[in-house]
Amino acid sequence: EVQLVESGGGVVRPGGSLRLSCAASGFTFDVYGMSWVRQAPGEGLEWVSGISENGVSTGYADSVKGRITISRDNAKNSLYLQMNSLRAEDTALYYCARGGGLKTMDVWGRGTTVTVSS
Amino acid sequence: QSVLTQPPSVSAAPGQKVTISCSGSSSNIGNNYVSWYQQLPGTAPKLLIYDNNKRPSGTPDRFSTSKSGTSATLGITGLQTGDEAEYYCGTWDSSLRVVVFGGGTKLTVL
Repeated sequence: EVQLVESGGGVVRPGGSLRLSCAASGFTFDVYGMSWVRQAPGEGLEWVSGISENGVSTGYADSVKGRITISRDNAKNSLYLQMNSLRAEDTALYYCARGGGLKTMDVWGRGTTVTVSS
Repeated sequence: QSVLTQPPSVSAAPGQKVTISCSGSSSNIGNNYVSWYQQLPGTAPKLLIYDNNKRPSGTPDRFSTSKSGTSATLGITGLQTGDEAEYYCGTWDSSLRVVVFGGGTKLTVL
């Protein structure tokens, strides 16, 4: 079964850091680009970041550029999102998704919740 | 303010048909493939349509799409109460170099 499972969310103070992880299974991880998409409470979807199959190319939404870094470890079938200088507006449910960029996002995880609050 | 524009809500009776529009520009819908996602209450988004008009296995043929210029439309026929969900359009924006989504449309089956 194709599956994405996110972890690493939690409550963090403004200015703090958090590292999200996404464990992939059931497919050949290193032939797919991957993305992180977030959804603030009661709001729509916002693409946060994407990374190419080999990890060489990355992209970021303007709202997170300079504060967030996407990476992957193909040997571990894992995707990561390092989040620094967190703000209240980063509070959201963060989804890991297969695809992104020019490719559709065809598989989604259940998400992990990040709450930034003092 | 989303880059792609969708109506906030649509509604129709069971068995009827509804359409959801998604309006963009030449840098996104006009020159890239459009995907549609369905988000049932309390769940993760699920791919409904990709590459403008292709249905993944599991998407009923009651769901169809069209695209013209810088706009796309999702149509749902034979509405069922189980279709009540938020629907999002999404695509790549070649100028912004990000994936963009519509703000979402809440479908109510009365």
